[in-house]
Amino acid sequence: SQTIHQWPATLVQPVGSPLSLECTVEGTSNPNLYWYRQAAGRGLQLLFYSVGIGQISSEVPQNLSASRPQDRQFILSSKKLLLSDSGFYLCAWSKGGGYEQYFGPGTRLTVT
Amino acid sequence: GDSVTQMEGPVTLSEEAFLTINCTYTATGYPSLFWYVQYPGEGLQLLLKATKADDKGSNKGFEATYRKETTSFHLEKGSVQVSDSAVYFCALSLNFNKFYFGSGTKLNVKP
Repeated sequence: SQTIHQWPATLVQPVGSPLSLECTVEGTSNPNLYWYRQAAGRGLQLLFYSVGIGQISSEVPQNLSASRPQDRQFILSSKKLLLSDSGFYLCAWSKGGGYEQYFGPGTRLTVT
Repeated sequence: GDSVTQMEGPVTLSEEAFLTINCTYTATGYPSLFWYVQYPGEGLQLLLKATKADDKGSNKGFEATYRKETTSFHLEKGSVQVSDSAVYFCALSLNFNKFYFGSGTKLNVKP
């Protein structure tokens, strides 16, 4: 069966510090991968998605970037965090368009 | 453009009450439709899905029917429990690589 992991689960970082969040998927190959951000009490904002190694589509111009160095690894990064980057970050995977997405447990990021 | 609209929350019900959370969609093609549930501090879990018109998705007592004529996918449950308290998201996916989520509806069930 397929499993999706995210780490860390919780992170507190000062403004201006770098960020690296990692997501890995097990039990499937060539998945579509997604990064979402969820502000407190709000809906989901799609940040990036990837249909293959090295292929990244950005949905919202911002302080963040994403990379996919391996088939089942998706990384969210920032060189300098802003207060507005605080939120709950969710990684998800799917088999492709029209299929359901499966979500990881999320990373709670607080920028102080 | 493609989008999902779901009813504003929070919805507060007593245990064993009937639940309906409305969801309507706009799509340029023939989408697959989903309901997800999110418990506090957790990721989203797929609750049910329907891939074509008139399909009924069901799971854990929850049901939703894909209504093409009304572009709707309302979530229903006959008798809610306290453990059903969570945020529910309606979503659609077309034959490309994006999902569209509604804004979420928070459900509070009181004993």
